[in-house]
Amino acid sequence: AQSVSQHNHHVILSEAASLELGCNYSYGGTVNLFWYVQYPGQHLQLLLKYFSGDPLVKGIKGFEAEFIKSKFSFNLRKPSVQWSDTAEYFCAVNGFGNTDKLIFGTGTRLQVFP
Amino acid sequence: KAGVTQTPRYLIKTRGQQVTLSCSPISGHRSVSWYQQTPGQGLQFLFEYFSETQRNKGNFPGRFSGRQFSNSRSEMNVSTLELGDSALYLCASSLERSTDTQYFGPGTRLTVL
Repeated sequence: AQSVSQHNHHVILSEAASLELGCNYSYGGTVNLFWYVQYPGQHLQLLLKYFSGDPLVKGIKGFEAEFIKSKFSFNLRKPSVQWSDTAEYFCAVNGFGNTDKLIFGTGTRLQVFP
Repeated sequence: KAGVTQTPRYLIKTRGQQVTLSCSPISGHRSVSWYQQTPGQGLQFLFEYFSETQRNKGNFPGRFSGRQFSNSRSEMNVSTLELGDSALYLCASSLERSTDTQYFGPGTRLTVL
């Protein structure tokens, strides 16, 4: 079955630390990849997305993600986190079997301490 | 531009009842998708509507249904509610396809007693 895995369920960092959140998917065809973020008490919002082209994608608030097709991965990175990055992060993929439905990972809760 | 709005924001029902949730997409958006969010299962795709037609469907029982009106507003209905239907139901709208950026609403928190 098509699936999206986020192996880090809960990450705790100090401010200025570097962040990498893993995301893997199980499908060998063409996919579109997304990272969404949900800040406490706020709606889900798009951080960045990859459809094609340069596999290194830059998003809002200094986030970036790298698509590695051979590893079926789309990891999210930020060189230096801030307290305001405390949130839940969701990886999502669509294009499985040529449908548009968006499949989400289970999410990673990030806590950043000052 | 106003964002995606969902009504009601909170709902308490009892087992066996039915419920209808409403979603108004961003003006000009024609695709509306629904998701169920629970602590155990995360975000799961329910269905997507475009031009009043269901275009994609997730793996939920037939008790979950939806529709879209000519103004792109959408409703979802859950019949014969079960305790396990307690969840946050999120609606997202996009311009044409769900590959376009999806904008999410605040959700409707449904509690089934």
